Amino acid sequence: AQTVTQSQPEMSVQEAETVTLSCTYDTSESDYYLFWYKQPPSRQMILVIRQEAYKQQNATENRFSVNFQKAAKSFSLKISDSQLGDAAMYFCAYRAPNSNSGYALNFGKGTSLLVTP
Amino acid sequence: DTGVSQNPRHKITKRGQNVTFRCDPISEHNRLYWYRQTLGQGPEFLTYFQNEAQLEKSRLLSDRFSAERPKGSFSTLEIQRTEQGDSAMYLCASSPVGGGAGEQFFGPGTRLTVL
Repeated sequence: AQTVTQSQPEMSVQEAETVTLSCTYDTSESDYYLFWYKQPPSRQMILVIRQEAYKQQNATENRFSVNFQKAAKSFSLKISDSQLGDAAMYFCAYRAPNSNSGYALNFGKGTSLLVTP
Repeated sequence: DTGVSQNPRHKITKRGQNVTFRCDPISEHNRLYWYRQTLGQGPEFLTYFQNEAQLEKSRLLSDRFSAERPKGSFSTLEIQRTEQGDSAMYLCASSPVGGGAGEQFFGPGTRLTVL
């Protein structure tokens, strides 16, 4: 079974600064999907950014970007120009490529991001 | 609002009672998933439907749990003879077949408290 590890239970960043959240995963597949989801307090989980393993280029969505290191099985999230609204739990997730492996998302334990004024 | 909806949002029950939760996916999504999230943990997969067929079940889904999606639209998750260990947030998600890049869209969850 694939495992996803987020080694930082909590992170703190000042408004307007940049923060990087770490994620590593274990898989024997060569193609797969990786995601970062955001879960604000008492609100539903929303997708922040996704990466397909066959794509070498790192995904970017506005202030959010990833550093995807396939050989190292590392998938970190960088948040630039942090805003108060970025405060939330961030979950890294892995999904296998096809129905033979299942479509379930495997989540890490999450990183709680605090943004200070 | 055309997102995933879940009802009820909160449920408090006594140990031994049965509870049922409902999930309405995004209307054009064929795949529907149930996850369980306990405090301080990431969501854990329970089961998955494609249309009305339940195609995958986690070993977390004990015999007391049953899920249905009778017409390929909404889904229900029933827990029989609830135990205190069932207290958790139950999340539903949906996704389209063949579209997007594997992402799933989540509902707000049903928070279950078993006393």
